[in-house]
Amino acid sequence: DAGVIQSPRHEVTEMGQEVTLRCKPISGHNSLFWYRQTMMRGLELLIYFNNNVPIDDSGMPEDRFSAKMPNASFSTLKIQPSEPRDSAVYFCASSLAGGYEQFFGPGTRLTVL
Amino acid sequence: AQKVTQAQTEISVVEKEDVTLDCVYETRDTTYYLFWYKQPPSGELVFLIRRNSFDEQNEISGRYSWNFQKSTSSFNFTITASQVVDSAVYFCALSEPSNDYKLSFGAGTTVTVRA
Repeated sequence: DAGVIQSPRHEVTEMGQEVTLRCKPISGHNSLFWYRQTMMRGLELLIYFNNNVPIDDSGMPEDRFSAKMPNASFSTLKIQPSEPRDSAVYFCASSLAGGYEQFFGPGTRLTVL
Repeated sequence: AQKVTQAQTEISVVEKEDVTLDCVYETRDTTYYLFWYKQPPSGELVFLIRRNSFDEQNEISGRYSWNFQKSTSSFNFTITASQVVDSAVYFCALSEPSNDYKLSFGAGTTVTVRA
């Protein structure tokens, strides 16, 4: 079975540009999570969805960040406009709802110059 | 308040030594779930184990073992006869119904196994 798929794996962009990160969860999982990992702040939950519906976006840093899940097999995290402080590794994870283990994608390493 | 505490920031051992990673959690829920994840230098987060609050049996998987003690709110992880490939950051995490089952991660313990 394929795990969680994320693209791109690496993204280098200039400040002010729009960045879109993509995620395909494991088939059958109904919860999807977006995390950000930095040395300074560790792993932070940005937003999560249950059955394609955003449940908690309290971790989204500011209005420049948005996330969508148009269907059960695809989600995007968009940053517009990007800033150097957004540089981090962004992980997508999926799970069954209700305390089950989350399986993480390989991450997208974002560098904003 | 930190829900999951991993007091050891870094541990360095020589190959074949055993290493124990401590994890202490805090929750008021009676049902909850505990997890360990491994993050090797390549960066991916690998799920290792899930334990629910009603199952206090210790678990062994190859060289890995876990000791869950509700009385001390601890869920410790031991690597027996460590190998260089065990070098990674290990995260303990807690999932609670009162927190929508979101994962609360500890800060992680970096394990370095020297040949």
